[in-house]
Amino acid sequence: DAMVIQNPRYQVTQFGKPVTLSCSQTLNHNVMYWYQQKSSQAPKLLFHYYDKDFNNEADTPDNFQSRRPNTSFCFLDIRSPGLGDAAMYLCATSRGTSGRGETQYFGPGTRLLVL
Amino acid sequence: LAKTTQPISMDSYEGQEVNITCSHNNIATNDYITWYQQFPSQGPRFIIQGYKTKVTNEVASLFIPADRKSSTLSLPRVSLSDTAVYYCLVGLYSGAGSYQLTFGKGTKLSVIP
Repeated sequence: DAMVIQNPRYQVTQFGKPVTLSCSQTLNHNVMYWYQQKSSQAPKLLFHYYDKDFNNEADTPDNFQSRRPNTSFCFLDIRSPGLGDAAMYLCATSRGTSGRGETQYFGPGTRLLVL
Repeated sequence: LAKTTQPISMDSYEGQEVNITCSHNNIATNDYITWYQQFPSQGPRFIIQGYKTKVTNEVASLFIPADRKSSTLSLPRVSLSDTAVYYCLVGLYSGAGSYQLTFGKGTKLSVIP
């Protein structure tokens, strides 16, 4: 089945130690998104790629970076994780820009713990 | 500040119809309204999407008034497995003419046997 895959499902890192989360998709969608979701809160969009074009949300900290080497894969890099970065990180994809008739498909998420 | 508003929580008995409303005063002109369901430790799952009036699929209906400043998700005859958090997702105009894709804060639905 076509799907959005996130690895690992759980990630533990140390304060200040760089960490990378990965996302892959078999849907061949043009757009890939990264969201941060803290406990009992709604997902918050960090950034998205439309093909190779990177679109950063205005309030996303510089500590968060992303790479999309090809259509199928997208990575979230946290350069110096702080305790406040502990959260569920969700990857999503869509054929086109969501909100204009384009449905987002979400992966299962990676839960990040910062020690 | 552009935002969406949903009730924090709702309780319902099995078999009842549940209506959850999301208000989104600053919705972008061309944007659709999408609703998602999320279970603990899982990613959100698409339920329904619409632009105006009424949309119905096999699991829900979505009612959108003419001014599009709100939308109501209707779940007919809920069951225990519908216990989850429900989010609306819309594109909103925020200050200085900027656009932001925004989830509502979510409504935690608890279905009681």
